[in-house]
Amino acid sequence: QKEVEQDPGPLSVPEGAIVSLNCTYSNSAFQYFMWYRQYSRKGPELLMYTYSSGNKEDGRFTAQVDKSSKYISLFIRDSQPSDSATYLCAMKDSWGKFQFGAGTQVVVTP
Amino acid sequence: DTGVSQNPRHKITKRGQNVTFRCDPISEHNRLYWYRQTLGQGPEFLTYFQNEAQLEKSRLLSDRFSAERPKGSFSTLEIQRTEQGDSAMYLCASSRTVQETQYFGPGTRLLVL
Repeated sequence: QKEVEQDPGPLSVPEGAIVSLNCTYSNSAFQYFMWYRQYSRKGPELLMYTYSSGNKEDGRFTAQVDKSSKYISLFIRDSQPSDSATYLCAMKDSWGKFQFGAGTQVVVTP
Repeated sequence: DTGVSQNPRHKITKRGQNVTFRCDPISEHNRLYWYRQTLGQGPEFLTYFQNEAQLEKSRLLSDRFSAERPKGSFSTLEIQRTEQGDSAMYLCASSRTVQETQYFGPGTRLLVL
């Protein structure tokens, strides 16, 4: 069993809809949680970084962490075709070791 | 601050040849990470440095792989006697401290023929 599970998609939504992404994890040592966006053939780009349970909002993006359920989510409001990319969840323990999900491919159709 | 840079961006080589990639982290970032990413997968950890010290190596890093960060600034990743299975995107990332997150470079895409 992988330490981080993420549905690979693809997830197709119409422009303007809310995109909902999530990851589950099994290692309770993970304390920091991140979401990255990766366009084809590019390096991952940091979107959100959180370290506590609850919600964190940044523009159209909301990250949600539930440590008791070992579940994290990312919501993208008012989705645009430019949001079409692969979204990676990532987690880090207190020693700095990172673990990534496989990524969810998102397609926003005009 | 120009972000993490990697060179070359693309490399095509024949099986059995050696290749070397370079990563320049964000200045003043003490931690530097190397990852490998294949199609449809997330980045897989290879190794990381705290300044010039290599602190951890993944079991994915066979004896043919070696990484250095001689002066605690840029790093190199060398693959000896490349195999077709080494074809992947090699990503470098850096962070200032263990608490902070990491920022990725654009990656080096390797194709072994």
